[in-house]
Amino acid sequence: QSVLTQTPSASGTPGQRVIISCSGSDSNIGSNTVNWYQHLPGTTPKLLIYSIDQRPSGVPDRFSGSKSGTSASLAISDLQSADEADYYCSTWDDSLFVWVFGGGTRLTVL
Amino acid sequence: EVKLVESGGGLVQPGGSLRLSCAASGFSFSSYWMHWVRQAPGKGLVWVSRVSKDGSTTNYADSVKGRFTISRDNAKNTLFLQMDSLSAEDTAEYYCARINSDDALDLWGQGTMVTVSS
Repeated sequence: QSVLTQTPSASGTPGQRVIISCSGSDSNIGSNTVNWYQHLPGTTPKLLIYSIDQRPSGVPDRFSGSKSGTSASLAISDLQSADEADYYCSTWDDSLFVWVFGGGTRLTVL
Repeated sequence: EVKLVESGGGLVQPGGSLRLSCAASGFSFSSYWMHWVRQAPGKGLVWVSRVSKDGSTTNYADSVKGRFTISRDNAKNTLFLQMDSLSAEDTAEYYCARINSDDALDLWGQGTMVTVSS
């Protein structure tokens, strides 16, 4: 059972906009920054969004992040088949004193 | 080229030990905290451990505390994970990762597979 809760699956058609949510608590998302990682099958995880809403160099602006209270969201616009992957939110937990990941959301492009 | 390369994975019997290594290159290894993250087959990413730049501070997930030891050799640009008292629940792909000044894991290795089975 992950400390951060993500919907296990999401889907959309090419060109659509999808939102992946991540729910936590005051001790993690509520008081810390949030990062998002993309993990394509057979590859190494990749940093997608850091500090809630910042994109590393090379990440398209189709990807955006936000946070409100104890929840965070990753939005993917203009969905493409290459976006099929597992997406994980992550942050530090002040109470547990550990880094935590969400359980992951598997995105399917129909 | 900036990269991390893990090694040391393999098949080990329950109760056994294994030592993972992560060789860093292309960046100033001693300037970064380093982490281990694992992914069991069919499961999600799980944080395992972290070590400070000079190796003096370490933290562990409850699931591995007391059994795993993270360490580093800055002279050899290498991160380690000593894993003892292994059980089937430790079967996973193990990734080393660098954390940057924005508290994000911005560089990951390709992973090394650990299988605990008799």
